[in-house]
Amino acid sequence: GQQLNQSPQSMFIQEGEDVSMNCTSSSIFNTWLWYKQDPGEGPVLLIALYKAGELTSNGRLTAQFGITRKDSFLNISASIPSDVGIYFCAGREGAQKLVFGQGTRLTINP
Amino acid sequence: DAGITQSPRHKVTETGTPVTLRCHQTENHRYMYWYRQDPGHGLRLIHYSYGVKDTDKGEVSDGYSVSRSKTEDFLLTLESATSSQTSVYFCAISGQSTDTQYFGPGTRLTVL
Repeated sequence: GQQLNQSPQSMFIQEGEDVSMNCTSSSIFNTWLWYKQDPGEGPVLLIALYKAGELTSNGRLTAQFGITRKDSFLNISASIPSDVGIYFCAGREGAQKLVFGQGTRLTINP
Repeated sequence: DAGITQSPRHKVTETGTPVTLRCHQTENHRYMYWYRQDPGHGLRLIHYSYGVKDTDKGEVSDGYSVSRSKTEDFLLTLESATSSQTSVYFCAISGQSTDTQYFGPGTRLTVL
């Protein structure tokens, strides 16, 4: 099946720093999604991208749908303690199925 | 928050026993999904449903079966649990096939 490579696998940063993570695929997707998962909970949608080249913001979060449709990026500006968690990218394959990356675990030192 | 509940939230069982996990939604969404989450693999689709009594296999369907007799309930059954099925299981729902999927709180299953 499809594989998404998400990097980095983990990040350790200081509070206030900016964060960047990305996902790449060997195949084209027509939708990219970014989710955040807190411990003991299900993933929660952060940003959805539907067009190649699209740049979308949600507060301090900005995500981009790569021009090649094979990648996507998520940036978090001025990180705060509540940003801690695991971030997942997901690409839509066909009409229903989502393919998920392995996740980026974000740890913030106060 | 989307109205999705999963039960049980935690379960410990023994190898070879049958296990059924339940996903219940109050959103009247057509599509429902079961995923498993394991370290290093992200979320992988087990089965999904596109309507009452309409289901299809996902990426990792071996050893699992599903049923959907009502719009609001989607059941995942492990006929004979194995240790490799120890995982966290998430249910998700969406209104249309191309809509965003919303996730439930998860069920942590341990097979001894």
